[in-house]
Amino acid sequence: DAKTTQPPSMDCAEGRAANLPCNHSTISGNEYVYWYRQIHSQGPQYIIHGLKNNETNEMASLIITEDRKSSTLILPHATLRDTAVYYCIVRVNNDMRFGAGTRLTVKP
Amino acid sequence: DVKVTQSSRYLVKRTGEKVFLECVQDMDHENMFWYRQDPGLGLRLIYFSYDVKMKEKGDIPEGYSVSREKKERFSLILESASTNQTSMYLCASSSDLGLAGVKNEQYFGPGTRLTVT
Repeated sequence: DAKTTQPPSMDCAEGRAANLPCNHSTISGNEYVYWYRQIHSQGPQYIIHGLKNNETNEMASLIITEDRKSSTLILPHATLRDTAVYYCIVRVNNDMRFGAGTRLTVKP
Repeated sequence: DVKVTQSSRYLVKRTGEKVFLECVQDMDHENMFWYRQDPGLGLRLIYFSYDVKMKEKGDIPEGYSVSREKKERFSLILESASTNQTSMYLCASSSDLGLAGVKNEQYFGPGTRLTVT
């Protein structure tokens, strides 16, 4: 699986959009980008995934650059409950490789 | 709701003890996984299994073994626990959809915090 690079931490004001970047410059054509998050004391939770096109669901939006070497997870209106560690993963198989992720802190 | 349960939330064992961590899922998932999580290192894959009696090494299998005798149960075994195996252990399961990119969501258990003294 391709390696990903994420900033270790970010802050966001409550009610504003949180934009979490991820670099995956060695991604190959059949690898998907997945995002998970882990709230303190819980197991990771799936958020969204995509291949080439931008994706949106009830939790977030995923923007993937045209060359697929980077992506951004967008939480459109961050709440205090979105404070968590966010993991960006690229994969083609059923197994996942999680990195250290980005610790997002949403502040009132 | 999918449920992945782990036998203990907290466990304290002595160095050299044999330790069993049990994981059970109720969604008839083919795939099951064991991770450990340490501060600053994120989740690291120890072992995974695609089917009953099948196992594959992850990134850090040394010092661990696994057992999958039934589809719903995946056990992680520390043959002789050491202090560097003090960690949070997370189990997960997912269905085998056969196609990359189809929402192959992994469902995680609550974790077992193991302390080896």
